[in-house]
Amino acid sequence: KAGVTQTPRYLIKTRGQQVTLSCSPISGHRSVSWYQQTPGQGLQFLFEYFSETQRNKGNFPGRFSGRQFSNSRSEMNVSTLELGDSALYLCASSPRATGQETQYFGPGTRLLVL
Amino acid sequence: QQQVKQSPQSLIVQKGGISIINCAYENTAFDYFPWYQQFPGKGPALLIAIRPDVSEKKEGRFTISFNKSAKQFSLHIMDSQPGDSATYFCAASRKETSGSRLTFGEGTQLTVNP
Repeated sequence: KAGVTQTPRYLIKTRGQQVTLSCSPISGHRSVSWYQQTPGQGLQFLFEYFSETQRNKGNFPGRFSGRQFSNSRSEMNVSTLELGDSALYLCASSPRATGQETQYFGPGTRLLVL
Repeated sequence: QQQVKQSPQSLIVQKGGISIINCAYENTAFDYFPWYQQFPGKGPALLIAIRPDVSEKKEGRFTISFNKSAKQFSLHIMDSQPGDSATYFCAASRKETSGSRLTFGEGTQLTVNP
């Protein structure tokens, strides 16, 4: 099976712009989670989608949003970008959303906000 | 109560030595404890995971030791190899019908010298 794919891999934006990142989970996986990775804060949970419904949300401002499509592909959007949004955004998929199964991570999208 | 504390931040080991990384958690509702390995430019990949009903789990050179009463768990890498040089993250999650969410430790950068 193909792994989790994320596009684009690299992105440069300026403050105030918005950005949309895409994630295609492993075939058959219905749960998609998003994480932000920064040197200072480490890996932080953004949100999780399962069967097109947001099941869980981390402690991020409303500028961060996401959605999941019927084919389980997911997108996350960040509006009004700030310098502090520069990070590696990771998507992970799992077959279900039990909290006790392996999450498979994609390579991430590295976002740089200037 | 959602934190997972990880130490050390960095670790240098000689080839053939034992690498030990420790984690402590606060939330007693956590019931799944995975370790992830991340190489530069890649997303984290599951290394090994444990549930609190066992005190130790071994897979090849990797062993998790779990102390439920102390709310601590650790990763031991036996016969460490230069190829093990990576960043290691402990994590925790809990079984919940509302989805799955990983809470990560801060990460340990392991360097194995040849």
